[in-house]
Amino acid sequence: DTGVSQDPRHKITKRGQNVTFRCDPISEHNRLYWYRQTLGQGPEFLTYFQNEAQLEKSRLLSDRFSAERPKGSFSTLEIQRTEQGDSAMYLCASSLKAGNTEAFFGQGTRLTVV
Amino acid sequence: RKEVEQDPGPFNVPEGATVAFNCTYSNSASQSFFWYRQDCRKEPKLLMSVYSSGNEDGRFTAQLNRASQYISLLIRDSKLSDSATYLCVVNIRPRSQGNLIFGKGTKLSVKP
Repeated sequence: DTGVSQDPRHKITKRGQNVTFRCDPISEHNRLYWYRQTLGQGPEFLTYFQNEAQLEKSRLLSDRFSAERPKGSFSTLEIQRTEQGDSAMYLCASSLKAGNTEAFFGQGTRLTVV
Repeated sequence: RKEVEQDPGPFNVPEGATVAFNCTYSNSASQSFFWYRQDCRKEPKLLMSVYSSGNEDGRFTAQLNRASQYISLLIRDSKLSDSATYLCVVNIRPRSQGNLIFGKGTKLSVKP
């Protein structure tokens, strides 16, 4: 499968725990995006990378959130001290650099904080 | 004003109907525009890009009005399989060098 893959698909955690999600983009894609989506809403931008450089972070991304893409390939999104409000679908997407290019999404990681 | 705003929906239409969705964006520097489709509990997938001169793909027609900062999607002869949420997406550059901003989406239900 050469699409965007995310792991895990589902995560249930207790409030206050830390969680980490992984995204493997399509191999030749330079850009990698993280989004959060809750029921009835469109995906909300969190952050994106061009290669290993994190170019922008949303105001939604509090200091409990951190994302990395150390070698410009896979990326991780960590949430520390999870809160119930963090419960959502976390989507990763990748695209070729610049231009009017399609972003391909992974199937997402559904986080439930209890 | 939100960066990308869409008709709230839901749109409930019979098979064969024509339905139109609207979207406005706030940043006049926006460069690229897309419509994505998202099925229930699935990831978003590109439906079509939107070009300045307007473009058509089968039963789907997309229009862009830069002066009004407005994008539309027209679906003709709607099918049951068109039932989904349609997301308007804007690539805002050069400020953020390629950030994709999504609208909240408009839900379409096509009934027999």
